[in-house]
Amino acid sequence: EVQLVESGGGLVQPGGSLRLSCAASGFTFSSYWMHWVRQAPGKGLVWVSRINSDGSSTSYADSVKGRFTISRDNAKNTLYLQMNSLRAEDTAVYYCARDRFWSDVMDVWGQGTTVTVSS
Amino acid sequence: EIVLTQSPGTLSLSPGERATLSCRASQSVSSSYLAWYQQKPGQAPRLLIYGASSRATGIPDRFSGSGSGTDFTLTISRLEPEDFAVYYCQQYGSSLLAFGQGTKLEIK
Repeated sequence: EVQLVESGGGLVQPGGSLRLSCAASGFTFSSYWMHWVRQAPGKGLVWVSRINSDGSSTSYADSVKGRFTISRDNAKNTLYLQMNSLRAEDTAVYYCARDRFWSDVMDVWGQGTTVTVSS
Repeated sequence: EIVLTQSPGTLSLSPGERATLSCRASQSVSSSYLAWYQQKPGQAPRLLIYGASSRATGIPDRFSGSGSGTDFTLTISRLEPEDFAVYYCQQYGSSLLAFGQGTKLEIK
């Protein structure tokens, strides 16, 4: 079964850091681009970041550029999102998603992990 | 940056009826790189349509997508109870990916 499981969310103070993980199983992780997408409470979906198959190319939404870093460990079948200088507006459920054949379409999604930035 | 505007914000229909959801882009979406997702409360999104009109694996044929340029449509031909959810369009024709704000399809 193809599966993505996020972890690492929690409560963090403004200005703090957090690292999210996404464990992949049931497919050849190293062959796929991966994404992070977030959803603030009661709001819509917002794309955050993408990484290519071997980790050599990344892209970010303007709202997180310079603060967030996407990375992956293909030996561990795991995707990461390092989040620094967190702000209240970063509060959201963070989903990892698999890219459909290098297309920027997301065909498999995890269940999400919640990040709350508050003092 | 391409901005996607979905309408209506909320659509109230009954099971068995036809649903038509709109997604309009602020500039042309190259090569019809437009996808649709369904999200139910407390669940992750699910891919329905990509390339404006191609159904994803396992998606029933009552779901169809159409459009090009700046105007795209998701049609559900005959609503089933499980179709009531929020629907998002997403463009992937530019490097900065973007979602629309969503259309909530609710039971009338």
